[in-house]
Amino acid sequence: NAGVTQTPKFRILKIGQSMTLQCTQDMNHNYMYWYRQDPGMGLKLIYYSVGAGITDKGEVPNGYNVSRSTTEDFPLRLELAAPSQTSVYFCASKSIDVEAFFGQGTRLTVV
Amino acid sequence: DAKTTQPTSMDCAEGRAANLPCNHSTISGNEYVYWYRQIHSQGPQYIIHGLKNNETNEMASLIITEDRKSSTLILPHATLRDTAVYYCIVRPWNTGNQFYFGTGTSLTVIP
Repeated sequence: NAGVTQTPKFRILKIGQSMTLQCTQDMNHNYMYWYRQDPGMGLKLIYYSVGAGITDKGEVPNGYNVSRSTTEDFPLRLELAAPSQTSVYFCASKSIDVEAFFGQGTRLTVV
Repeated sequence: DAKTTQPTSMDCAEGRAANLPCNHSTISGNEYVYWYRQIHSQGPQYIIHGLKNNETNEMASLIITEDRKSSTLILPHATLRDTAVYYCIVRPWNTGNQFYFGTGTSLTVIP
């Protein structure tokens, strides 16, 4: 099993550009999450999903969109990148009786 | 989810026990105490969880007070590789809904 895979690992965006952060898990977990982590800070929940076709907002959803068309994939979309979205983004997945596994993160810089 | 309070930072000598406290005075009856850690720049890693009994696994021990308002994570023989940020989280078990990270405790293991 690869676990939780995030791509890309690094990305530099210009203000106003858009991009999709990819997250894939091969553990058949129902629950998936996106967090962001600013330098020196804890993780903030952006969006989460309890199953295919179901998504909900977390603490800091503004400026982001998600979709969950399959169990495996949970992409995070930035439509109009802003400098405030410079952060490290972590994806995680879990099942009902297994604790969360995290990906290795995507480091995004918006200039 | 109940709010938790942790010290911002702690030091521990290599080979000694590291005791990381967490206060969760508003914890409700169906909420468990979870611990994760994040080694620099990596995704968080699950350590241990418990309800009211003390728990031990290959990584750590978790001591929960009888009134459940606080807990302590114990790393019995800290190594340099245990230097990380440790997060205490309280949430109901067996749900995939959102869970929130606080700011955690930055543990530095000193040679």
